[in-house]
Amino acid sequence: NAGVTQTPKFRILKIGQSMTLQCTQDMNHNYMYWYRQDPGMGLKLIYYSVGAGITDKGEVPNGYNVSRSTTEDFPLRLELAAPSQTSVYFCASSYPKTGVNEKLFFGSGTQLSVL
Amino acid sequence: RKEVEQDPGPFNVPEGATVAFNCTYSNSASQSFFWYRQDCRKEPKLLMSVYSSGNEDGRFTAQLNRASQYISLLIRDSKLSDSATYLCVVNEPGSSNTGKLIFGQGTTLQVKP
Repeated sequence: NAGVTQTPKFRILKIGQSMTLQCTQDMNHNYMYWYRQDPGMGLKLIYYSVGAGITDKGEVPNGYNVSRSTTEDFPLRLELAAPSQTSVYFCASSYPKTGVNEKLFFGSGTQLSVL
Repeated sequence: RKEVEQDPGPFNVPEGATVAFNCTYSNSASQSFFWYRQDCRKEPKLLMSVYSSGNEDGRFTAQLNRASQYISLLIRDSKLSDSATYLCVVNEPGSSNTGKLIFGQGTTLQVKP
């Protein structure tokens, strides 16, 4: 199993450009998440999904969109990139068990700079 | 008040030292607690879950004090390879059907020869 795969690893955008961060997992996990991590800070939840066709906002959703058409894929879309979106982005997944928070499996991250 | 609060450090310790990290969480309804390890420029990885009775995994011991809403991680006999950032993680109350977790900002450990 590859686990959680994120692409690209690095990207530089100009202000106002758009892009999609790709995330795919091969563990048949229902739950998937997008986090951002600013320097010296913890991870902030952008969006999450509890299954195909279901997405919801996290703590910092503004400027982002997601979709979940399949169990495997959970792309994150940035429209009109802004310098405030310069960050490291992590995709993660987990397998739900009733009443129990399970371990998160993370992708290797995307370093995004908006200049 | 931050939902999960940690002393950011850095903690600089010599090899072989014992070091302890503390973490407080704001919502008493949280039920699941974890320590994740994050190496520089890498993704976080689960180090250990934290159970009410306390638990140990080799040189690592985690403790939970629900009354004080306090979690700790003790590392004995520190190794150079323990150098990393340690993230305290707590579930968002009511998240049993979403799996949502709240991350502290992390405590950086640097073990020196």
